[in-house]
Amino acid sequence: GQQLNQSPQSMFIQEGEDVSMNCTSSSIFNTWLWYKQDPGEGPVLLIALYKAGELTSNGRLTAQFGITRKDSFLNISASIPSDVGIYFCAGAFYNDYKLSFGAGTTVTVRA
Amino acid sequence: GAVVSQHPSRVICKSGTSVKIECRSLDFQATTMFWYRQFPKQSLMLMATSNEGSKATYEQGVEKDKFLINHASLTLSTLTVTSAHPEDSSFYICSARVTSGSTDTQYFGPGTRLTVL
Repeated sequence: GQQLNQSPQSMFIQEGEDVSMNCTSSSIFNTWLWYKQDPGEGPVLLIALYKAGELTSNGRLTAQFGITRKDSFLNISASIPSDVGIYFCAGAFYNDYKLSFGAGTTVTVRA
Repeated sequence: GAVVSQHPSRVICKSGTSVKIECRSLDFQATTMFWYRQFPKQSLMLMATSNEGSKATYEQGVEKDKFLINHASLTLSTLTVTSAHPEDSSFYICSARVTSGSTDTQYFGPGTRLTVL
């Protein structure tokens, strides 16, 4: 699959701050997925989005499927130390179930 | 969410030997599983799509005779790295496709760290 443009590449944040990251694609997708990966582990699904404009929350996480279907963002509110990790976006086009991944955003939280 | 397991979690082998990695869907059936490879500080790279009851489809540049995939049941896919060499050392991750109505998601296993000496 194609590589998505994910930004920022990394971020250092203070505990309690909000975090925002986004992904863009040159192609339209009908599925956007956000994963978190801890060192030495497999990615864990955080949020799945299936409809343009959809805004979905999972605890302190909120993600949106862009209305152009070419972008998505993930917000983490009131960050805590366990939010440390690498966050990946992934997109798929209808009938092509292979995922295209972003390069990842590494989040480090300062206590 | 759906649970996917991998075994072993890490393996060290000598150059020239073959290594088999198992990927299981624990609480659901998966007709389609995927195998990825991940290098340090990089994103996931899709190697192949494993289809239950049929041959796997490999991504461009992935040697099918080197990375043998078998999806013999609806809950198990295996990846065999044949005649492994140090350059095959990597983190191998499988995923299982879960579809329900209009939703289509992949759940990942915990990964297998392969080190070839």
